Amino acid sequence: DTGVSQNPRHKITKRGQNVTFRCDPISEHNRLYWYRQTLGQGPEFLTYFQNEAQLEKSRLLSDRFSAERPKGSFSTLEIQRTEQGDSAMYLCASSLEGESGYTFGSGTRLTVV
Amino acid sequence: KQEVTQIPAALSVPEGENLVLNCSFTDSAIYNLQWFRQDPGKGLTSLLLIQSSQREQTSGRLNASLDKSSGRSTLYIAASQPGDSATYLCAAPSSGTYKYIFGTGTRLKVLA
Repeated sequence: DTGVSQNPRHKITKRGQNVTFRCDPISEHNRLYWYRQTLGQGPEFLTYFQNEAQLEKSRLLSDRFSAERPKGSFSTLEIQRTEQGDSAMYLCASSLEGESGYTFGSGTRLTVV
Repeated sequence: KQEVTQIPAALSVPEGENLVLNCSFTDSAIYNLQWFRQDPGKGLTSLLLIQSSQREQTSGRLNASLDKSSGRSTLYIAASQPGDSATYLCAAPSSGTYKYIFGTGTRLKVLA
């Protein structure tokens, strides 16, 4: 078990381009979470999945954002028509069903220029 | 609606001091609370997870306590070292869900 893996680690994109991030959770974890973190702030919740079902989406997740977890394993987060305000660290975490706490990945740092 | 507050926002101490970081939460109907460490530009590393039935949890020089009735948790770091310099975040579940709400963290600097 190698923990939660996120790719890429860094992404620089031009405003208006689409980007996609991938998260591979710990294999036996059935819950997967996406958060966004800007400088000096705590992580802000975006969305979470239980198996392949997306159970909750934050108001922060505008219609330019979409997340999927098609087979209940890895997940992707896509941002369409990126804006400079999307520049942030995007963090993925997973947990076992129940009250086991989160394990985070190393994050994907997005810079929109 | 769960809100999590951490004080102080920043702390600078000489090496060897014992210190306490504070976390308060508004919704006490939580099933656990988790403390994390974050180094600059990195992801979050779990330090301690306290279940609602526990009052405290220890790992090495770290001790976390939980008082649900008062909506408070503390992280105690004994004999601080320069390697402890990082941001410490606490997170509590939002009522009725498994999503965590995070505080803004305490930035700790331990001076050699």
